[in-house]
Formats: sequence, structure tokens, C-alpha cells
Amino acid sequence: GQQLNQSPQSMFIQEGEDVSMNCTSSSIFNTWLWYKQEPGEGPVLLIALYKAGELTSNGRLTAQFGITRKDSFLNISASIPSDVGIYFCAGHGEAGNMLTFGGGTRLMVKP
Amino acid sequence: DAGITQSPRHKVTETGTPVTLRCHQTENHRYMYWYRQDPGHGLRLIHYSYGVKDTDKGEVSDGYSVSRSKTEDFLLTLESATSSQTSVYFCAISESFGVGYTFGSGTRLTVV
Repeated sequence: GQQLNQSPQSMFIQEGEDVSMNCTSSSIFNTWLWYKQEPGEGPVLLIALYKAGELTSNGRLTAQFGITRKDSFLNISASIPSDVGIYFCAGHGEAGNMLTFGGGTRLMVKP
Repeated sequence: DAGITQSPRHKVTETGTPVTLRCHQTENHRYMYWYRQDPGHGLRLIHYSYGVKDTDKGEVSDGYSVSRSKTEDFLLTLESATSSQTSVYFCAISESFGVGYTFGSGTRLTVV
């Protein structure tokens, strides 16, 4: 089946730093979604991208749908302690409507 | 907001015993999904439902069965639990297939 490779697997940063994470696929995806999961909770949708090249922001978060349609990036500016959690990319490939998830990036922020 | 609830939140069971997890929604969404979450694997789809009594297999369906007798309830059953089924299980709902998911808070299942 389709696979999404998400990197890095984990990040430990200082409060105030910017964060970048990405998701890549060997096949084309038609949509890209970014979720955040906090401890003890289910993932919550942050940003949805529907067109190649699309750049969308949600507060301090910015995500981009790669031009090749095989990757997506999520940036967090000026990180704060409440940004801690696991960030998942997800997408719909050309093979069908099933949503595929990446392995997640665990973000830890030091105050 | 309690549009989707999962029960129980935590369960410890012995190998070989049957286990049923429940997902309940109050949103009247047509589609419901069961995922398992394991370190390094993200979320993997077990089964999904596209209506009452209409279900289909996902990526990792072996050892699991599901039932949906009412719009609001989607049950996941492990007929004979194994240690490899120790995981966190998430239910999700959506109005349209494959988009706009809302996830429950998860059930942490430990099989000893």
C-alpha cells in the first residue's frame, strides 16, 4: 500500500525556535493533511492542503503542498511549550480515498 | 465536546480472551473508522463502516471484526486477543468518506 515517510521522528527544541518537519511519498498524493496529537487524546486536524504548491497558514503554523505532489512540509514559528505533541501528516493518494498516515514527529519544547 | 466517545479508555486483558471496544457518536455521521496506533507506524486502518451493517476491511484487519447495528455505534472485537494487539485504538467519524475526520480520545489496550 501507499506509505508516507515522515521526518524527523522526534525533535527536542528550545522555546522560541522555529520547527520544520516534512512528509514524503514515492507516489502522488491528491491531498495533504497535518494533525496534532496531544498526550491522551486523538489527533486533531491543523491544516488541510488540496492543490500542488498550496501554502496555508494557521496561526504560527504554515504547511505547503509540494509541487511534485509527493511531499508536504509543516513549519511552526516561535515554538511555545504547548506545541508539544506528535504531529502526523496524512494524505489521499491516487489509488483511492483511504487516508494514509505518516509515522509522526514527536515534538518536545524546552521552556 | 463529546461528539465521539470511546469506551473503555483503558483495558488490560489476558491472551486468548475476547475483547470489544465501543465507539459512540452523536454527530449522525455516515462513516466510522477504527485505527490502531503503534510507535513508528502512525495510525493504521483496521476496519471502517459506510453505513448501518456496511463495513469493510482496512490495512490491518486480521484478528479483528466489527459491527455497526446503529448509526451511532461502531464496535471493534478482538475474538481472541494476542500480545501483538497491545496498542492504542482510535475511532474516527466523518460525513464524507476519507475526509474531515474527528477522532475519539482512544482506548489503550494491553494484552498480557
